[in-house]
Amino acid sequence: AQSVTQLDSQVPVFEEAPVELRCNYSSSVSVYLFWYVQYPNQGLQLLLKYLSGSTLVKGINGFEAEFNKSQTSFHLRKPSVHISDTAEYFCAARPSSGTYKYIFGTGTRLKVLA
Amino acid sequence: DSGVTQTPKHLITATGQRVTLRCSPRSGDLSVYWYQQSLDQGLQFLIQYYNGEERAKGNILERFSAQQFPDLHSELNLSSLELGDSALYFCASSASGLAGGVGELFFGEGSRLTVL
Repeated sequence: AQSVTQLDSQVPVFEEAPVELRCNYSSSVSVYLFWYVQYPNQGLQLLLKYLSGSTLVKGINGFEAEFNKSQTSFHLRKPSVHISDTAEYFCAARPSSGTYKYIFGTGTRLKVLA
Repeated sequence: DSGVTQTPKHLITATGQRVTLRCSPRSGDLSVYWYQQSLDQGLQFLIQYYNGEERAKGNILERFSAQQFPDLHSELNLSSLELGDSALYFCASSASGLAGGVGELFFGEGSRLTVL
């Protein structure tokens, strides 16, 4: 079975500070990995995705994530956050073959403080 | 704007009733996914359709059903509603649905269902 775990339900951070949102996955097959962001009263939108190749993936709004196969992790980072980054962030995984079921973590609420 | 349209945006109904949520995918996308988002359970995968056929099933209750029509829009039917069904229901579409393609999911803004 496939699962995605986001260890932190809430992360408060001061503006211009760095942030890391943690994501671990469990799967018996190889997976594609994604980070989505949900702003208040909106749907989810893609931040970045890892399919293959370089383990460091850059996304929109200055975010990046690193795929670590040995630790089954896909942590999201940003070197300097802005107030506008306040949102809920979801990590997701999908098997690279077979079913197209995307499994999401429970989300991490990032709150950027002035 | 993701290009995915969901209606209605808000729906308030009573226990025991039945509702239908509608989703129009992005132009050209053949896959439609339904998710339920509640405070205590996060984003739960319900079901996926590809070009009218069911492709994957998640934690969808027997009281819930879905279908995808020839014009590719999809409907999620929720019946015998219970208080616990109150949630935000998201539809997402993707260009891929067969092995070999990796399409990101494009989400609608959701339909907020309140069961009283």
